[in-house]
Amino acid sequence: EPEVTQTPSHQVTQMGQEVILRCVPISNHLYFYWYRQILGQKVEFLVSFYNNEISEKSEIFDDQFSVERPDGSNFTLKIRSTKLEDSAMYFCASGGRVSGTDTQYFGPGTRLTVL
Amino acid sequence: DQQVKQNSPSLSVQEGRISILNCDYTNSMFDYFLWYKKYPAEGPTFLISISSIKDKNEDGRFTVFLNKSAKHLSLHIVPSQPGDSAVYFCAASGSSGSARQLTFGSGTQLTVLP
Repeated sequence: EPEVTQTPSHQVTQMGQEVILRCVPISNHLYFYWYRQILGQKVEFLVSFYNNEISEKSEIFDDQFSVERPDGSNFTLKIRSTKLEDSAMYFCASGGRVSGTDTQYFGPGTRLTVL
Repeated sequence: DQQVKQNSPSLSVQEGRISILNCDYTNSMFDYFLWYKKYPAEGPTFLISISSIKDKNEDGRFTVFLNKSAKHLSLHIVPSQPGDSAVYFCAASGSSGSARQLTFGSGTQLTVLP
């Protein structure tokens, strides 16, 4: 069964450094998402991506964040200058409906630790 | 901003009995609801969903009920098995935007006792 994959599983970085989190969505899906979950809190939407551009983004997704689909398979989240409060689990998700995504399938997550 | 609420942080059930997990929402624009199961250090795994045009959807041991007037949905697991022990998240999406971001509840930790 196809699944969303994410690398790395754990990323440790120093405050102020740039990080890139990588995802390979399910191959025939059209919509791609990033969510995050700070320890003890809810899963929060960050951004959605469709047709090679951002479709929606939350207040969390400020100028420090960017997303890219550099080729036909990878979907990346970049944080330019990490802050302590960026420490969280970051989940990539993908979904397939052309008219709008009904079900999203999540990857295993990347645990980002900012020191 | 708690648009999706799961008021029970935990639930314990005996193996073989029914587990009922509840979820309330406040945003009347939500028209699609999902349940995810999550183990520690893993991503949410999709379980079952329901559109707002229905009031019930069943898939094997899992049934989701939707009461639109009460803005309430529930997940029934029958019979419960020890492997069902996990955190269960309710999520909702609405008609705003084409990409239909999900809004999650805070989760309910289900423990099925053998």
